[in-house]
Amino acid sequence: AQSVAQPEDQVNVAEGNPLTVKCTYSVSGNPYLFWYVQYPNRGLQFLLKYITGDNLVKGSYGFEAEFNKSQTSFHLKKPSALVSDSALYFCAVRENNAGNMLTFGGGTRLMVKP
Amino acid sequence: DVKVTQSSRYLVKRTGEKVFLECVQDMDHENMFWYRQDPGLGLRLIYFSYDVKMKEKGDIPEGYSVSREKKERFSLILESASTNQTSMYLCASSPPVTGPQETQYFGPGTRLLVL
Repeated sequence: AQSVAQPEDQVNVAEGNPLTVKCTYSVSGNPYLFWYVQYPNRGLQFLLKYITGDNLVKGSYGFEAEFNKSQTSFHLKKPSALVSDSALYFCAVRENNAGNMLTFGGGTRLMVKP
Repeated sequence: DVKVTQSSRYLVKRTGEKVFLECVQDMDHENMFWYRQDPGLGLRLIYFSYDVKMKEKGDIPEGYSVSREKKERFSLILESASTNQTSMYLCASSPPVTGPQETQYFGPGTRLLVL
């Protein structure tokens, strides 16, 4: 069975500083990995995905994520945080034979302070 | 742009009531999903459907049922609401899995309070 862990309930960062939101996963086959963001009172919005190829994936709003197979991680990063990045972030995984079934992590709240 | 709409943003019901949550998507997607979102637990899949009149149980189907009579509409039904069903409910849709790149598109959510 596939699973996702987001070890931090909340990440605090000052505006302009780099940010990292951590995600580790467990699948039996090749993973397809996703990051979603949820702004207050909104549904989830797709940020980026890793399918294959380059381990560094670039997505929306200046975010990127690094796939590390040996560490089974897919951490979300941004070089310079904005206050408007404050939101709830979800990592998700899908095995290559699991149809379109996503398994989500518990979510990490990112707080960017001015 | 894909649009997924949910009938209510906020809903307050009493224990024992039958509750209907409606979801409509406008992109002719085959797959539709219902999740519940709880703090610290992330999103948990309740039911999904990959075609009209087809449904499959997700991870936490107990206390819920679904209906998909038309391709664009997927309803979640709480037969007899209980306080432990107080949660945020999210609907999503996606095209068929023709490749790994397909993602899910989410509605804005319905926050349900059961008293």
